[in-house]
Amino acid sequence: NAGVTQTPKFRILKIGQSMTLQCAQDMNHNYMYWYRQDPGMGLKLIYYSVGAGITDKGEVPNGYNVSRSTTEDFPLRLELAAPSQTSVYFCASSLTRLGTDTQYFGPGTRLTVL
Amino acid sequence: TQLLEQSPQFLSIQEGENLTVYCNSSSVFSSLQWYRQEPGEGPVLLVTVVTGGEVKKLKRLTFQFGDARKDSSLHITAAQPGDTGLYLCAAYDYKLSFGAGTTVTVRA
Repeated sequence: NAGVTQTPKFRILKIGQSMTLQCAQDMNHNYMYWYRQDPGMGLKLIYYSVGAGITDKGEVPNGYNVSRSTTEDFPLRLELAAPSQTSVYFCASSLTRLGTDTQYFGPGTRLTVL
Repeated sequence: TQLLEQSPQFLSIQEGENLTVYCNSSSVFSSLQWYRQEPGEGPVLLVTVVTGGEVKKLKRLTFQFGDARKDSSLHITAAQPGDTGLYLCAAYDYKLSFGAGTTVTVRA
């Protein structure tokens, strides 16, 4: 199993550009998540999904959109990139939403907006 | 939103020394998790604790959940350079909330 995969690994955007961060998992997990990680701030939840066709906002959803058309894929769309969106983005998945369950993380996408 | 406070923020020690990092909150948790994140990688789960007073050991790592289930600690005995990384605690509300982490550097 590849686990959770993310592409690209690195990206530089200009202000106002758009892009899609790709995330896929091969563990047949219903639950998928997008986080951003800023230095000294921990991980903040952007959006999550409880299954194909169902998504919901997390703590910091502004400036982002998601879709979940299949169990495997959960892309994150940035519209009109801003310098405040410079961060490292992690996708994760889990079998359940229980606090005792493991979240499996991808390797991350480092995004810089100039 | 529960706030998880981790201390210290940074810790640099020599190989062979012991270290302890802390995770505290004013909220009571039903469970708490510890993750380790290496540079350029995503976090990886180390342990989940669920019972107040619980102690779990993972080789040289000892995890303790406070009796009141509001705090937790991670103790590493005889640290090695391979223990270098960012240690994150996380607790579940309607979502998994993470502390800001403790960056541990073990010098050879």
